[in-house]
Amino acid sequence: NAGVTQTPKFQVLKTGQSMTLQCAQDMNHEYMSWYRQDPGMGLRLIHYSVGAGITDQGEVPNGYNVSRSTTEDFPLRLLSAAPSQTSVYFCASSYTPRSNYGYTFGSGTRLTVV
Amino acid sequence: ILNVEQSPQSLHVQEGDSTNFTCSFPSSNFYALHWYRWETAKSPEALFVMTLNGDEKKKGRISATLNTKEGYSYLYIKGSQPEDSATYLCASEKGGGNKLTFGTGTQLKVEL
Repeated sequence: NAGVTQTPKFQVLKTGQSMTLQCAQDMNHEYMSWYRQDPGMGLRLIHYSVGAGITDQGEVPNGYNVSRSTTEDFPLRLLSAAPSQTSVYFCASSYTPRSNYGYTFGSGTRLTVV
Repeated sequence: ILNVEQSPQSLHVQEGDSTNFTCSFPSSNFYALHWYRWETAKSPEALFVMTLNGDEKKKGRISATLNTKEGYSYLYIKGSQPEDSATYLCASEKGGGNKLTFGTGTQLKVEL
């Protein structure tokens, strides 16, 4: 049981490049979400999904796209990377949006945009 | 309270001390309060999810209480051990949505 798997763990991009951060879970969780973590700030929600085919914006969605074609996968796409997107990105999932077990987090992707 | 606020920002205690942290959150339209433990170089792990006013939960030496009317939760650690060193995050979930709002965390260091 791998839980939530994020790839890559580290990435350096040049300004303007695009890339996809991968997130996969094997727990049959319906709810998946992406957060970014910046120094001095709490985890901030970028996008989330309550099931395959359904996505919605979080607190800081600009510059990011998501899709949810399967229950297992929830990739985050950076369309044109900017230095302001330098951050640590976490994917999290739960069985339901209101799970009493809390969220399971991946190990994070540290992204640097130069 | 408009956002989720945690205090103190950081805390150094000696092994064996008991300690507690505070999480303040908007009490309007409240649904749930989450606590997570986040060790360095790892990912956050869920400790508790509480929904009812007056709720108390316990896991080993760690316990938490919830007051939804005044919008606060306390996390207690009894007899702190070095392995308790971590950042403790709380997050509030409002009714009608699917979003958690996180505080900035309390960083605990337990020294021998």
